[in-house]
Amino acid sequence: AQSVSQHNHHVILSEAASLELGCNYSYGGTVNLFWYVQYPGQHLQLLLKYFSGDPLVKGIKGFEAEFIKSKFSFNLRKPSVQWSDTAEYFCAVKAYNTDKLIFGTGTRLQVFP
Amino acid sequence: EAGVAQSPRYKIIEKRQSVAFWCNPISGHATLYWYQQILGQGPKLLIQFQNNGVVDDSQLPKDRFSAERLKGVDSTLKIQPAKLEDSAVYLCASSLGGVRGTSNYGYTFGSGTRLTVV
Repeated sequence: AQSVSQHNHHVILSEAASLELGCNYSYGGTVNLFWYVQYPGQHLQLLLKYFSGDPLVKGIKGFEAEFIKSKFSFNLRKPSVQWSDTAEYFCAVKAYNTDKLIFGTGTRLQVFP
Repeated sequence: EAGVAQSPRYKIIEKRQSVAFWCNPISGHATLYWYQQILGQGPKLLIQFQNNGVVDDSQLPKDRFSAERLKGVDSTLKIQPAKLEDSAVYLCASSLGGVRGTSNYGYTFGSGTRLTVV
């Protein structure tokens, strides 16, 4: 069965600091990978997704993620965070031959001015 | 395009009562999902519809939860009777779906219904 691990449960940063959130998945076959963001009081929004090709994926708001197949990882990065990035971030995986999206437990990011 | 609509936004009920949530997906989206998001956890898939047929309901507690998708469009999720541990946000999402393995589109989520069981 597929599963997703997000080891950072709560991250606190100052503005302009760099961000890296870890995501590891367990599944032996081809996967599609996603990062979603949930701002306080809002619905889940897609930040970026990987299906194939260049393993370095760029998303909205300056976020990027790198798929490392050998490590089963899809870490999210941003070189310089802003206060407005305060939110909960979810990594998700979908096996290529299904429509089922499996989420990690999420990482709560707090950015202080 | 209009997003995924859900109602109500909030619901407070007593345990053993029943409750129903409604979802209207994006027009033309064949696949509809209901997720349960308990505080501090990631969303967990409860049920997946392809048009008006159930594709996956393996994690739906069928003794108390039921869902239907009439005419392959709107969907309702019902809990009867509710338990304290059902307190969560219930999210609806939709995607173009279709043939398995070709739903290479981001899912669109609704704002969710926050259920509190007291």
